[in-house]
Amino acid sequence: GAVVSQHPSWVICKSGTSVKIECRSLDFQATTMFWYRQFPKQSLMLMATSNEGSKATYEQGVEKDKFLINHASLTLSTLTVTSAHPEDSSFYICSARPDSVDTEAFFGQGTRLTVV
Amino acid sequence: GNSVTQMEGPVTLSEEAFLTINCTYTATGYPSLFWYVQYPGEGLQLLLKATKADDKGSNKGFEATYRKETTSFHLEKGSVQVSDSAVYFCALRRTGTASKLTFGTGTRLQVTL
Repeated sequence: GAVVSQHPSWVICKSGTSVKIECRSLDFQATTMFWYRQFPKQSLMLMATSNEGSKATYEQGVEKDKFLINHASLTLSTLTVTSAHPEDSSFYICSARPDSVDTEAFFGQGTRLTVV
Repeated sequence: GNSVTQMEGPVTLSEEAFLTINCTYTATGYPSLFWYVQYPGEGLQLLLKATKADDKGSNKGFEATYRKETTSFHLEKGSVQVSDSAVYFCALRRTGTASKLTFGTGTRLQVTL
């Protein structure tokens, strides 16, 4: 079946550094990918919609300069957390919906980010 | 706005017990409703869905019925197995909004022998 791969699965970084998370659709093309964030014991919150070849659409309250999204190809979207702070520590999950098939989006396994 | 409320966990059951995880929603119009499951170390997987009132979604022995009158989409399984241990998320998607999903907080299910 369709697979979405996220890398890395977990990462620890120092405050002030930047971290890049990759989301790849392994066997389908996806013009649109989504980035979610999950706080402990809370629901997944949509951060932004990533559109191949154009700017991402951010949800209200999400800092676009803080969370840089690049969707450079039909199989890859990246989320870069810039100048990370401990409050950015969270679980980040991406999803991608195949362009060619009318089906629900597939999710990656998530990335656990810890900023120390 | 849209919201999904599901029962807090963790839910701990013995194998072969009956499972119910409650989910209610608030939305304008007629959303599609979903249950996703997340097994340890894996991404979310679609478990089942229903797109209109009175529809019943089912998969792997799990069922949920779209109840518009009570704005609910409760997940049930008649006999759980240890392999069902996971986190279950209820979600909705408004009609016409592509794949934007609104999730509940998730309910952790632990099934013991």
